[in-house]
Amino acid sequence: EIVLTQSPGTLSFSPGERATLSCRASQSVRNNYLAWYQQKPGQAPRILIYGASSRVTGIPDRFSGSGSGTDFTLTISRLEPEDFAVYYCQQYGGSPLTFGGGTKVEIK
Amino acid sequence: EVHLVESGGGLVQPGGSVRLSCAASGFTFSGSAMSWVRQAPGKGLEWVSGINESGGTTYYADSVKGRFTISRDNSKNTMYLQMSSLRADDTALYYCAIPRGGWFVFGWFDPWGQGTLVSVSS
Repeated sequence: EIVLTQSPGTLSFSPGERATLSCRASQSVRNNYLAWYQQKPGQAPRILIYGASSRVTGIPDRFSGSGSGTDFTLTISRLEPEDFAVYYCQQYGGSPLTFGGGTKVEIK
Repeated sequence: EVHLVESGGGLVQPGGSVRLSCAASGFTFSGSAMSWVRQAPGKGLEWVSGINESGGTTYYADSVKGRFTISRDNSKNTMYLQMSSLRADDTALYYCAIPRGGWFVFGWFDPWGQGTLVSVSS
């Protein structure tokens, strides 16, 4: 099983700042099959990025994904008020599918 | 528009059983693999199970293997999760979701339903 580690668990930013979130895998993720989700309270997760760096249609271009192998990053170039939420990474290159523990992006 | 609606959750006693349903609309259900993902209160996401388009191939997380059974009825555009021998740590919001872009039933998930809550307690 591939273990995904997202640390730290919480990051604090002011609106307009750049946020960089990390996701580290315990072994290489096949084909860089790594996705990122955003989840707000009381809502289902929403897909942002798949294949490590491909943005889903309709997701603002301030969201970008990068990385390969075991180290992946989600960057939010300029935080908008609606971006304060919890972000999860997920690998789908191996069975079982696994998620990271999440990083909460909160307002400083 | 793709729409997924879960139902069947509620309060269940430890050792009990419950069947969840996921009603799908807005796409060709019989042409899509499906999955269940759960989220314990205040916790992260955990993939539970997946099923291929025909229902002939299923996958389970080790934590539920032997206790949960995933199935689907393509004539009713509905997926099911039969849960038995329930434990307190099965308490969670259960989402159905469509896997995309990966392999077999494994992929990234979009969209997700709104979830149905299963609480296991005496």
